[in-house]
Amino acid sequence: DTEVTQTPKHLVMGMTNKKSLKCEQHMGHRAMYWYKQKAKKPPELMFVYSYEKLSINESVPSRFSPECPNSSLLNLHLHALQPEDSALYLCASSQRGGYTEAFFGQGTRLTVV
Amino acid sequence: QQQVKQSPQSLIVQKGGISIINCAYENTAFDYFPWYQQFPGKGPALLIAIRPDVSEKKEGRFTISFNKSAKQFSLHIMDSQPGDSATYFCAASTRDDKIIFGKGTRLHILP
Repeated sequence: DTEVTQTPKHLVMGMTNKKSLKCEQHMGHRAMYWYKQKAKKPPELMFVYSYEKLSINESVPSRFSPECPNSSLLNLHLHALQPEDSALYLCASSQRGGYTEAFFGQGTRLTVV
Repeated sequence: QQQVKQSPQSLIVQKGGISIINCAYENTAFDYFPWYQQFPGKGPALLIAIRPDVSEKKEGRFTISFNKSAKQFSLHIMDSQPGDSATYFCAASTRDDKIIFGKGTRLHILP
């Protein structure tokens, strides 16, 4: 099973709302990622968790708050977003230790109104 | 130094032809080079990957060629089919799990 599951698939939120994106994998992978992808652009790394600890934060604004409750789950909490934050948010996971190839979920299409 | 440069930005190939996408990098800390295929509205799917101590890897119609001294690698799609029409991203990863993507190539295969 090489599946990474993301919920919801689509989300529309106002600029004052608080919402969360969820991601789950059962491949035993020890690294999990959040990427942001705008239309016709490559995925842009936001956060990496390794062994449930935040290992990389690519200077992401604090209105995005990641959380890794356990080795299978990854959340992204959203608060006070801006319209320019509208994008496809991708979760991925990989086995740690070099030769890193990540498996991606289908993404959450986020629209901020 | 963290960049992965990818070309061309878009590519049109006749059915049955060979599609070639090129990438280059600077950072010698990269130790793995995966390629991803993405269809509209979907997440990227891992296609094929190569280690820098290997010069070529083939899986079906997809081949990666790797030139470590030039810090360049390329994807060849043989016998290209309309179903291969998608956006292709090269990527490079480090031992601390960082994966950086090239800007992507939009491939269109003419029927």
